[in-house]
Amino acid sequence: GQQVMQIPQYQHVQEGEDFTTYCNSSTTLSNIQWYKQRPGGHPVFLIQLVKSGEVKKQKRLTFQFGEAKKNSSLHITATQTTDVGTYFCAGPEAGGTSYGKLTFGQGTILTVHP
Amino acid sequence: GAGVSQTPSNKVTEKGKYVELRCDPISGHTALYWYRQSLGQGPEFLIYFQGTGAADDSGLPNDRFFAVRPEGSVSTLKIQRTERGDSAVYLCASSLGLSGSTDTQYFGPGTRLTVL
Repeated sequence: GQQVMQIPQYQHVQEGEDFTTYCNSSTTLSNIQWYKQRPGGHPVFLIQLVKSGEVKKQKRLTFQFGEAKKNSSLHITATQTTDVGTYFCAGPEAGGTSYGKLTFGQGTILTVHP
Repeated sequence: GAGVSQTPSNKVTEKGKYVELRCDPISGHTALYWYRQSLGQGPEFLIYFQGTGAADDSGLPNDRFFAVRPEGSVSTLKIQRTERGDSAVYLCASSLGLSGSTDTQYFGPGTRLTVL
């Protein structure tokens, strides 16, 4: 079945440093979504990318979707302590009709030291 | 408006018992999703509903797990003969249910199930 992998599993940074997490799917995705989960909280939707090679920015966050629609990345510029949490990528497999079935990666846990 | 709500927030049960977990979606959302999240892992898809019917139940691990949504709003996830391996946070999400696309899923706070 479809598998989604994320690296790194953990990332510790000093406040002000940049952070990047990478997401790779075993199958082509129809779209990729990114979620953030704060410690003790639930996943919160950040963004969805649909087109091959798409790049979207949200303030200090930059999201990319690979040309083959099998990989993605999230880059945070100048991290702040409010960025702490686990970042997940997720997506439905391309070519299927089950649009709501998201396969999640295992997440990257980001800690930011002030 | 109110977000997705789930009850109970915590459930402790003994091995072999039956449990029901409830989800109230955002008003007007026709799609509802159940996921299971174990410690240190991403959410694992279980089932999703479009209206009253299960659009995809391929993630249910075995026949001990069953979910219903009889009126197209509230959903109940039912687990029979619970096992210690069922211990996890059970997350519910809802979305507008736009046809032919993946729309934004809004997650509830989850129910933490502990099977002793």
